[in-house]
Amino acid sequence: SQQGEEDPQALSIQEGENATMNCSYKTSINNLQWYRQNSGRGLVHLILIRSNEREKHSGRLRVTLDTSKKSSSLLITASRAADTASYFCATDDASGGSWGKFQFGAGTQVVVTP
Amino acid sequence: SQTIHQWPATLVQPVGSPLSLECTVEGTSNPNLYWYRQAAGRGLQLLFYSVGIGQISSEVPQNLSASRPQDRQFILSSKKLLLSDSGFYLCACSGASYGYTFGSGTRLTVV
Repeated sequence: SQQGEEDPQALSIQEGENATMNCSYKTSINNLQWYRQNSGRGLVHLILIRSNEREKHSGRLRVTLDTSKKSSSLLITASRAADTASYFCATDDASGGSWGKFQFGAGTQVVVTP
Repeated sequence: SQTIHQWPATLVQPVGSPLSLECTVEGTSNPNLYWYRQAAGRGLQLLFYSVGIGQISSEVPQNLSASRPQDRQFILSSKKLLLSDSGFYLCACSGASYGYTFGSGTRLTVV
């Protein structure tokens, strides 16, 4: 089964609005990552947050991590049409034997309309 | 920074034909390499990973195999393709603190 699950599955917003998506996972982790995928393309790494971090920023992106709830959120502020993409979270499994292997959720499809 | 070259971008193959997808990495040495498959509208499923030359671990039983003949070369193969092998195949390389670098993917359609 998938380690990470994103919520919602789809999100439609207008330019300038904020987009928030969540990721829940099952096991303890070393770190969690967020990726973006434009249709039919490879994934682009957005941000990595370690298990001992609670919040991280990168430009218009803000990621939070709550290890007690096994959840993370990705906030895109002041969204643009170019932010239209699918967003995936990926987690490793800190229980051992899976170093460097990340499991991906099914993604949140974000559509930003002008 | 790491760069992954993956080809071809699109491939249409008949059932029962062989497959060979190649991935090469630039900008790093001794990387961990991964093959993922993505079904339409779904997340990524880890198929194989490799921590070094000749070292391959399979995550799921399937009709595919992987090989790593050189440090920065990772190959995904099949002797006889099935319809269920259709999908979007992505090669990835892990970095120290930047997560994965992905290739641009190969869209495989088995007909």
